[in-house]
Amino acid sequence: DTGVSQDPRHKITKRGQNVTFRCDPISEHNRLYWYRQTLGQGPEFLTYFQNEAQLEKSRLLSDRFSAERPKGSFSTLEIQRTEQGDSAMYLCASVQAGGVEQYFGPGTRLTVT
Amino acid sequence: QKEVEQDPGPLSVPEGAIVSLNCTYSNSAFQYFMWYRQYSRKGPELLMYTYSSGNKEDGRFTAQVDKSSKYISLFIRDSQPSDSATYLCAMIKAAGNKLTFGGGTRVLVKP
Repeated sequence: DTGVSQDPRHKITKRGQNVTFRCDPISEHNRLYWYRQTLGQGPEFLTYFQNEAQLEKSRLLSDRFSAERPKGSFSTLEIQRTEQGDSAMYLCASVQAGGVEQYFGPGTRLTVT
Repeated sequence: QKEVEQDPGPLSVPEGAIVSLNCTYSNSAFQYFMWYRQYSRKGPELLMYTYSSGNKEDGRFTAQVDKSSKYISLFIRDSQPSDSATYLCAMIKAAGNKLTFGGGTRVLVKP
C-alpha cells in the first residue's frame, strides 16, 4: 500500500482556464475527502464521498467546482473558469469504513496567474 | 470566530527542549481530537488522536484533551531539528466525519 496519491503535484494555469485534479485513495478506504489549504491556514473541508456517493459539500464549493468518484475508487476535482482566489493547495484524504484516522496525500498546488 | 483556534507562532525552541502546543475549540460536539504534522509544501501527516478527554502517549509525543475547558494540548519531548514543521490540530464529531482544523502552529527547533 503506497498511501494516498495525487496528480499533478503542481499546476500553473491562466485565469479562466479549467483544471482537473486526481486523487487515488488508499485501497479499501471507502471514504474520500477533499480539502483546500491556503498559505498560513489550516485545511478547509470541501466535499466527501462514501464509495461513489457524494454525501456533503461545503459552501466553499461554488458552482465552478465539481467532484466525482465514479467507481468508488479514484476521485477527480474540477475547477472551471479558474480565478486567482482559487490558488491554494488541494488536499485529498481517505479513511476506512468506520475509521477515524484520515490519511492525506501530498496535495496539488494550484497557481492561477 | 473560528471553531478551532490555534496560535500561529512561530514557536522557537532549542534542541532537546519540550515543545508545548495547544488549541481551543467552541463546539462541544467534537469527540475525536487529532494532531497532524505538516512539512513545507507537503500533505499533513497524522501523529496521533485521542477520543474524548484524557491523555495519550506515543513515544516522544503526549496528547491531552480537557473537554470541560474545550482545550487540547500536544507535548513533544526531547525535540529534534527534524521536528521543525507546522503542527495542526483537528477534530471531528464522529468517526467518518469531516475534519475541522486549527490554523496551525509553526515550530522551529534550533540545533
